[in-house]
Amino acid sequence: DAKTTQPNSMESNEEEPVHLPCNHSTISGTDYIHWYRQLPSQGPEYVIHGLTSNVNNRMASLAIAEDRKSSTLILHRATLRDAAVYYCILRDARDYTGGFKTIFGAGTRLFVKA
Amino acid sequence: DADVTQTPRNRITKTGKRIMLECSQTKGHDRMYWYRQDPGLGLRLIYYSFDVKDINKGEISDGYSVSRQAQAKFSLSLESAIPNQTALYFCATSDYFKREGSDTQYFGPGTRLTVL
Repeated sequence: DAKTTQPNSMESNEEEPVHLPCNHSTISGTDYIHWYRQLPSQGPEYVIHGLTSNVNNRMASLAIAEDRKSSTLILHRATLRDAAVYYCILRDARDYTGGFKTIFGAGTRLFVKA
Repeated sequence: DADVTQTPRNRITKTGKRIMLECSQTKGHDRMYWYRQDPGLGLRLIYYSFDVKDINKGEISDGYSVSRQAQAKFSLSLESAIPNQTALYFCATSDYFKREGSDTQYFGPGTRLTVL
C-alpha cells in the first residue's frame, strides 16, 4: 500500500482556519485519499475523501494537488471540538477487502487553543 | 442512539481466559470489521465480514476468532487471552458504493481490553 506522511502535531487558534498537510508521493491512479479523525476516547470518524478534484462537505474541504502527490485537509474555522488526531489514508479502489489494514498511521494531532 | 455499539467498553482479564467482544450496528450495512489499535502502530485489521456467510482473516488474525450472528452483529473472541493482546479494539461497518469505487467506514466507540 502507498504510504502517507503527516506532521506529528499542529496547533491552531479557535475560530481560525487550519490546513493539515499530507504527502503521498507514491500514490497510484486508483488510490482514493481519505481523511478520518479520532477524538479522545472515541473511534475514528470519517471526514472526507476524494480522488482528483477538490471536495467540500459540511465538516471540511479537501484540496488535492494537481499531481496528486499531496493533499490538504482544510478546517475552515477550528473549534475546540476539532482537537483530535487526523489520519490521511489512501484506499485503492481495486481493493475489495474493504478494510483499511495498517494504513492508519500515527496521524497529526491537532491542538486548538481558545 | 449510536449506530455502532460495542460491549463491553472496558475489560480486564487474566492470561488464559476466553473473552468475547460484541459489536452491533443499526446502519444496515453488510460489511463489518474488527481492528485493534496499539500506540504507534495505528489500526490493524483482525477480521472482516462481507455478509453473514462471508468471513475473512485480516492481517493479524492469529489468536482471534469471530462470529457473524446476523447482519447486525459481529463478535470477536480471544480463545486464550495473552498480555500482548492488551489493546483498544474497534468494530467498524461499511457499505460499499461501487459507483464511487470507495467505501466509508463507521467505527464504534472501542473496547479497552487489558490482559494481566
